[in-house]
Amino acid sequence: GENVEQHPSTLSVQEGDSAVIKCTYSDSASNYFPWYKQELGKRPQLIIDIRSNVGEKKDQRIAVTLNKTAKHFSLHITETQPEDSAVYFCAATPTGGGTSYGKLTFGQGTILTVHP
Amino acid sequence: GAGVSQTPSNKVTEKGKYVELRCDPISGHTALYWYRQSLGQGPEFLIYFQGTGAADDSGLPNDRFFAVRPEGSVSTLKIQRTERGDSAMYLCASSLQGAYNEQFFGPGTRLTVL
Repeated sequence: GENVEQHPSTLSVQEGDSAVIKCTYSDSASNYFPWYKQELGKRPQLIIDIRSNVGEKKDQRIAVTLNKTAKHFSLHITETQPEDSAVYFCAATPTGGGTSYGKLTFGQGTILTVHP
Repeated sequence: GAGVSQTPSNKVTEKGKYVELRCDPISGHTALYWYRQSLGQGPEFLIYFQGTGAADDSGLPNDRFFAVRPEGSVSTLKIQRTERGDSAMYLCASSLQGAYNEQFFGPGTRLTVL
């Protein structure tokens, strides 16, 4: 089955700096890679996602890059703000071989702290 | 519109007891997922429903765990003979059919087995 590794486990930055979180996956059949943000005591919420036919995707201060050859993808947050502080999870799901649903395999999470 | 809801929000039970956790998906979402999240970890897949049927239950840890979705909407996760190791946050998510569709998570049920 799929295995997703996420680094770093904790990340501390100053407000305005950039933050980068990296994930690797093992199953070459994985084709969809969402990122979720989970604030303390709250449910995970999707912040951005990318499909395997795209190398990069941006949404305002958030971007995700994907390298399918190397089986890794990264989340980039620019101009960080204190409200970006949360736990971030990457995930991967195979969509080939007849799989038509999103059985997500999550990374272990990164605790991001943005200091004002 | 209303998001995914789960009840109860917290459940404390004793070892060996039976528990039921309920999930109300977003109206119109045919796909429903259950995940389990331990403290400091990412959610782990348990089971996937497409309509009324469990299309993939490969994540259920053992036969003490069972889930149903009899009318293709509300789902119930059932745990028999609970063990302390079952203590975790149980998350439900729903989506439109298809792997690329966003999964919307519920607030979870925190299960504590004493």
